[in-house]
Amino acid sequence: DAGVIQSPRHEVTEMGQEVTLRCKPISGHNSLFWYRQTMMRGLELLIYFNNNVPIDDSGMPEDRFSAKMPNASFSTLKIQPSEPRDSAVYFCASRPGLAGETQYFGPGTRLLVL
Amino acid sequence: GENVEQHPSTLSVQEGDSAVIKCTYSDSASNYFPWYKQELGKRPQLIIDIRSNVGEKKDQRIAVTLNKTAKHFSLHITETQPEDSAVYFCAARPSGNTPLVFGKGTRLSVIA
Repeated sequence: DAGVIQSPRHEVTEMGQEVTLRCKPISGHNSLFWYRQTMMRGLELLIYFNNNVPIDDSGMPEDRFSAKMPNASFSTLKIQPSEPRDSAVYFCASRPGLAGETQYFGPGTRLLVL
Repeated sequence: GENVEQHPSTLSVQEGDSAVIKCTYSDSASNYFPWYKQELGKRPQLIIDIRSNVGEKKDQRIAVTLNKTAKHFSLHITETQPEDSAVYFCAARPSGNTPLVFGKGTRLSVIA
């Protein structure tokens, strides 16, 4: 099993540019989570999906952030336009279902907005 | 909603000593409590978990205890080694179809 896959692993962009982060959950996992991690705020849950449907996006910081899950094997997190304060590590995680337990994290995308 | 408090935020121990990290939770209906270890620049990885019908679980040098009455759970690492240095996160899962709620993390440093 390849585990949760994220791309890109590193992204450097300039303020105002659009950023798209990608995630492939573990096959068979029905729940997918997007987190943001910074030194100041720790690990924050941004949004999560169950069976490709967004369940709770209350953690999304602003309208500049959006997330989609068009199918069971792919999700994107988009920031448009990006700002320097968006610089963080973004993790995707999946688990077998919302009622499932063990949650697995991807390697993360380290985003730097200049 | 569920709230998880984790203490201490930083912990330094001498190699070979034990380390204890404590968490409290607020929702008495929470029934699953995992612990994650995050090494520098890496992803959080599950190291041990416990369910609400169990009071203690051990895996080699790590153990977790759960006190449902007091709503707290703890991670115990014995015979610490330098490779145990990392940030450790506790989490709780409220009942039903909800995400894990994480603590703020504990940065453990094991001094050789």
